[in-house]
Amino acid sequence: GAVVSQHPSRVICKSGTSVKIECRSLDFQATTMFWYRQFPKQSLMLMATSNEGSKATYEQGVEKDKFLINHASLTLSTLTVTSAHPEDSSFYICSVGDRGYSTNEKLFFGSGTQLSVL
Amino acid sequence: AQKVTQAQTEISVVEKEDVTLDCVYETRDTTYYLFWYKQPPSGELVFLIRRNSFDEQNEISGRYSWNFQKSTSSFNFTITASQVVDSAVYFCALSGVSGTYKYIFGTGTRLKVLA
Repeated sequence: GAVVSQHPSRVICKSGTSVKIECRSLDFQATTMFWYRQFPKQSLMLMATSNEGSKATYEQGVEKDKFLINHASLTLSTLTVTSAHPEDSSFYICSVGDRGYSTNEKLFFGSGTQLSVL
Repeated sequence: AQKVTQAQTEISVVEKEDVTLDCVYETRDTTYYLFWYKQPPSGELVFLIRRNSFDEQNEISGRYSWNFQKSTSSFNFTITASQVVDSAVYFCALSGVSGTYKYIFGTGTRLKVLA
């Protein structure tokens, strides 16, 4: 199964700064990775699908200029929260589909990043 | 529209008790997939099971068992002889053919197993 490494696990930043979160697929090359957001005691909401070599696909209501996604290689996707504000404080978690592409196979999740914006 | 409902927000049981976590889903797809994930305090979601809509056979894996009933659109999860290490948030999720990568998660059930 895939091992997904996500860093950092926790970040605290000042309002107005940008924060980059990395997601790495350690076991195989992933053409597609997924970014989720989870508010406290709530469910996971898909934010966007990160596609290697092309633009990310964002879900309705997610600002693409706010949440920049770069799928730099087949093993790395980054999510940058630009000009972060307190309302962006949340738990962000990335995932990779089994065999590296979008199917109904199980997703493997990173350990998540807790972002706190002061 | 697709929807997953986990009506139980939080459940507390004493160790060794059996506990069932409920999951009810809605979908118009004829082919779909259901999942259960465990989220321990560390945050990482751990895959537990995947079931496709054509396979209604119940499954048992150790202390875990799943009851899939299409007639009631339910996919319930039972832990037998619960242990403290089972304490976590459990999510039920649905994925349909129309959006193969798009998982719809329930709101989760927080299970507390007391020693």
